[in-house]
Amino acid sequence: DTGVSQNPRHKITKRGQNVTFRCDPISEHNRLYWYRQTLGQGPEFLTYFQNEAQLEKSRLLSDRFSAERPKGSFSTLEIQRTEQGDSAMYLCASSRFGNIQYFGAGTRLSVL
Amino acid sequence: AQTVTQSQPEMSVQEAETVTLSCTYDTSESDYYLFWYKQPPSRQMILVIRQEAYKQQNATENRFSVNFQKAAKSFSLKISDSQLGDAAMYFCAAQGGSEKLVFGKGTKLTVNP
Repeated sequence: DTGVSQNPRHKITKRGQNVTFRCDPISEHNRLYWYRQTLGQGPEFLTYFQNEAQLEKSRLLSDRFSAERPKGSFSTLEIQRTEQGDSAMYLCASSRFGNIQYFGAGTRLSVL
Repeated sequence: AQTVTQSQPEMSVQEAETVTLSCTYDTSESDYYLFWYKQPPSRQMILVIRQEAYKQQNATENRFSVNFQKAAKSFSLKISDSQLGDAAMYFCAAQGGSEKLVFGKGTKLTVNP
């Protein structure tokens, strides 16, 4: 069990560019979650998947954000036309049947 | 909707002493869970302790214990025999009616040698 893996760890991009982050959950965890954490705040929920189905999306997830989990394993989070306000730590977590959520180390996004 | 409030942005404790971190929450759910997560600097969030709301007994995990006051909607974390490695941001979180976790703003704990 290698834990939840997120790549890249850091991403610097220019405003208006598209970025994609990847999350590999703990094997056999059927649920996968995305959160966003800004400086000085706790994580805020974005969306979650049960296997490949996206079951819940936050209003924070604007139409510039899209998340997929095509085969029920890894997930990607894409942000189109990035804005400076998108700068944050993006956290992924996974769980087995909705039990305890285990977090990855996150991807820190800086939009210049 | 659920809300979680941590009123202590920062706390400090001497090594080997005891410290209590406060958390209050609000929820309309009858069945819910409460959590304390620890986030060391530049490292991933780790679960410290979990409490099921239907259980009256307070959860304990080694040096970590909670004081769960359901009527007051209070969920404080007590760390006994504090160690240098306990220094981190501590987040209180609630889960109920949905799988999403709702977090407070966190408390930064400093442990002084």
